[in-house]
Amino acid sequence: AQKVTQAQTEISVVEKEDVTLDCVYETRDTTYYLFWYKQPPSGELVFLIRRNSFDEQNEISGRYSWNFQKSTSSFNFTITASQVVDSAVYFCALITDSNYQLIWGAGTKLIIKP
Amino acid sequence: GAVVSQHPSWVICKSGTSVKIECRSLDFQATTMFWYRQFPKQSLMLMATSNEGSKATYEQGVEKDKFLINHASLTLSTLTVTSAHPEDSSFYICSASLRRESEQYFGPGTRLTVT
Repeated sequence: AQKVTQAQTEISVVEKEDVTLDCVYETRDTTYYLFWYKQPPSGELVFLIRRNSFDEQNEISGRYSWNFQKSTSSFNFTITASQVVDSAVYFCALITDSNYQLIWGAGTKLIIKP
Repeated sequence: GAVVSQHPSWVICKSGTSVKIECRSLDFQATTMFWYRQFPKQSLMLMATSNEGSKATYEQGVEKDKFLINHASLTLSTLTVTSAHPEDSSFYICSASLRRESEQYFGPGTRLTVT
């Protein structure tokens, strides 16, 4: 079975705090792709990152960083020094070689308070 | 990233009428376009996958005669909600990708309200 779990339904932090959004995935495929998307209140989904299963290097982009660990089937997302504009729902998703269809996590609503 | 436009951004229609939603990839040729529906506080539900020049593949439970999808070119796909009913009211989102395993770029969504 293929599945993406985002156990945190909602996270609320004060601005400038660091925050980590968890994502755990399940698949038996050896080739797969993981994604993070941001959905601000406006509704438009914004692509953040794509990582394939053969590349376990962590990624950093400004205040955003991603930790991909195949040993724990996790692809966690950390925002450093959070800002109010980071408030959004964040979705983790998976595509596998046997099913080229995005499998979505339930999303984590992130609230950054000023 | 790539830009996908969607039109209209919102529409209100009367029950029984049809509504067409357009999805365009503006700066790349999309091999595949996807149509999703999103209910409040939920993740996206895939309705159908469309490849240019071929019939769309609908997900189980999605009525293909009610949700007509046309993918006429590599940059344009349309979704027509036929004989709309209030239960069709939702947020419809399209996306486009270069390859099957590629990231999908999403349109801004269309909020449909059927009265």
